[in-house]
Amino acid sequence: GDSVTQMEGPVTLSEEAFLTINCTYTATGYPSLFWYVQYPGEGLQLLLKATKADDKGSNKGFEATYRKETTSFHLEKGSVQVSDSAVYFCALDNYGQNFVFGPGTRLSVLP
Amino acid sequence: DAGITQSPRHKVTETGTPVTLRCHQTENHRYMYWYRQDPGHGLRLIHYSYGVKDTDKGEVSDGYSVSRSKTEDFLLTLESATSSQTSVYFCAISPDKNYGYTFGSGTRLTVV
Repeated sequence: GDSVTQMEGPVTLSEEAFLTINCTYTATGYPSLFWYVQYPGEGLQLLLKATKADDKGSNKGFEATYRKETTSFHLEKGSVQVSDSAVYFCALDNYGQNFVFGPGTRLSVLP
Repeated sequence: DAGITQSPRHKVTETGTPVTLRCHQTENHRYMYWYRQDPGHGLRLIHYSYGVKDTDKGEVSDGYSVSRSKTEDFLLTLESATSSQTSVYFCAISPDKNYGYTFGSGTRLTVV
C-alpha cells in the first residue's frame, strides 16, 4: 500500500538557520502531496500542497517541490524562527484512497 | 479551526463507560474522518464517512463506532472505554478526495 517516510527528528536548529525536512513516498499513480504543521495543543494545519509533478507548494516562507523521479517532497525554509517550533507531517492523498501520513518530525528552534 | 468544532475538548471517564465525541462542521463537506494521535504511532484512522449514513472502518476501528445522521455531524462512540483508548482524537473534513483535510482542534480523552 501507499506509504510516507520522513525523518523523525527531533530536529534542533538555531534561529535563522536553514531547514530541510526530508519526505519520500511510495504510491501508485499520481498522488497529491501535503505538508501539515501541528503547534503544541492544537490540531494539524495545512501548510502547503502540490498536486502534480514539478509543482512547488509554498507558504509562510516554507517550500516543497513534488519530485516524481525521486518520489520526494522535502520541506525547506531559508531562515527559521522560534515560532516555527512545531511538529511537521508529510502526507499523501491518492485519489480514491484515504490520506496517508508520515510519522511527523518535531522541530525545535532555539533563540 | 474555522468551520469545524469538536466537543468536548477534554474528558476524563472511567473504564467500562460509554463515551461519545462530537464533530460538527459548517462547511457542508462530504467527507469526515476520525483519527487518534498517540506518541510513537502518529495519526491513525479510526472511521470515516463519505456521506450521510455512509461510513467505513479505518485501521484501528475495534472498540469504536460512528454515526452520521446529518451532513454536519459525525459522532464517535467508544462503546466501553478502556485505558488503551486514552488518546487525543481529531476530526477532519474534506470536500472531496485530493483536496486535503481541515482538522479540528482535538479532544483529549483520558480513561481511568
